[in-house]
Amino acid sequence: DTGVSQNPRHKITKRGQNVTFRCDPISEHNRLYWYRQTLGQGPEFLTYFQNEAQLEKSRLLSDRFSAERPKGSFSTLEIQRTEQGDSAMYLCASSASGGSYGYTFGSGTRLTVV
Amino acid sequence: AQSVAQPEDQVNVAEGNPLTVKCTYSVSGNPYLFWYVQYPNRGLQFLLKYITGDNLVKGSYGFEAEFNKSQTSFHLKKPSALVSDSALYFCAVSDSGGGADGLTFGKGTHLIIQP
Repeated sequence: DTGVSQNPRHKITKRGQNVTFRCDPISEHNRLYWYRQTLGQGPEFLTYFQNEAQLEKSRLLSDRFSAERPKGSFSTLEIQRTEQGDSAMYLCASSASGGSYGYTFGSGTRLTVV
Repeated sequence: AQSVAQPEDQVNVAEGNPLTVKCTYSVSGNPYLFWYVQYPNRGLQFLLKYITGDNLVKGSYGFEAEFNKSQTSFHLKKPSALVSDSALYFCAVSDSGGGADGLTFGKGTHLIIQP
């Protein structure tokens, strides 16, 4: 297991199109997080899964955003009807149960909406 | 609600000198504190964490951090800076009650080590 994997690394899309990102966490980690990072800011929490259950969603996650983790393994984050304000780095992280274990981050997917 | 403040946008240090990157936090329960480093166009790399125990925590690449409960601070330190330490550093906190909200990050501090 080489860590948290995110695909694609970069995505350029036209405004109004839908995009989907994938995250493969560390296999033994049951918690998975999505974060968004814009230029000059720290990562902001979007949503969190424990196994396949989505337990928490940030107010940042509008109705155009949806995340799934169907079998408690990989996760997808979909953005519908993209807007220029969605341009950001989308980071995925995983951890074992309990906040004390820390979080392992993937390299992120950079989304550019033109 | 939990929050993190990194009061310096940028810290400049000469190579070989000691460095400090400041972080203060606010959390309702006992804090779990983390430092991450980010290189351009990359994800975050874990440096160190404080969960409980000794207030001085040692981490990767010779970095350490000191937890100060009374000052609610968790400053990152290194005795002798390297040019390769130049990067963006993030302090983060989670509530020991379960971390369901994930980590809350500061805005980051650019560390620039001058040769």
